[in-house]
Amino acid sequence: QKEVEQNSGPLSVPEGAIASLNCTYSDRGSQSFFWYRQYSGKSPELIMFIYSNGDKEDGRFTAQLNKASQYVSLLIRDSQPSDSATYLCAVITFTFYNQGGKLIFGQGTELSVKP
Amino acid sequence: GAVVSQHPSWVICKSGTSVKIECRSLDFQATTMFWYRQFPKQSLMLMATSNEGSKATYEQGVEKDKFLINHASLTLSTLTVTSAHPEDSSFYICSASTAGGEDTQYFGPGTRLTVL
Repeated sequence: QKEVEQNSGPLSVPEGAIASLNCTYSDRGSQSFFWYRQYSGKSPELIMFIYSNGDKEDGRFTAQLNKASQYVSLLIRDSQPSDSATYLCAVITFTFYNQGGKLIFGQGTELSVKP
Repeated sequence: GAVVSQHPSWVICKSGTSVKIECRSLDFQATTMFWYRQFPKQSLMLMATSNEGSKATYEQGVEKDKFLINHASLTLSTLTVTSAHPEDSSFYICSASTAGGEDTQYFGPGTRLTVL
């Protein structure tokens, strides 16, 4: 089982719709969760982070975390063609090998927003 | 916001040569820097974790003698790919955080390495 799993997509939504991106993780000790956006040929760009169960909203983006189900999601409201990118879910895990945590990425979900 | 730069942004080299990539945190002090590699259509794979003034911690399967990491100051880490071969061609991305990985990581723009 992969530590962080995402549907690779592609996920296609029409402009103006809500895009829903999902991610599950295996390490119950994970405390910090991140969503990054990556355009083709570019490095990841932080969209949101979430630490507590529930929802966190930032503009058109809402992150949802359910630690009991080991599930984190990202909702994009009023999707725009410029949102077309690969969205990476990342989790900080803590193992006794590390003094701190390390960021584990999912394989990413490719989102395509059609005009 | 926190800005991380990388240099060069791209490099083409001949097989057998060594390539050095720099990663700098421009407006904050980075206690920890991370080096990732990303092959086409794949996600980021952590290569090593670098703490200022100490030896880097390499992930399983990453050759520490081939990928030399130096974190000489709180704003600079370097990755040297020694005796590069075509299979080392990839997108190398660094990130920096103010804590030991527990804090948000900010990514550099990446360096695309092509080994002929």
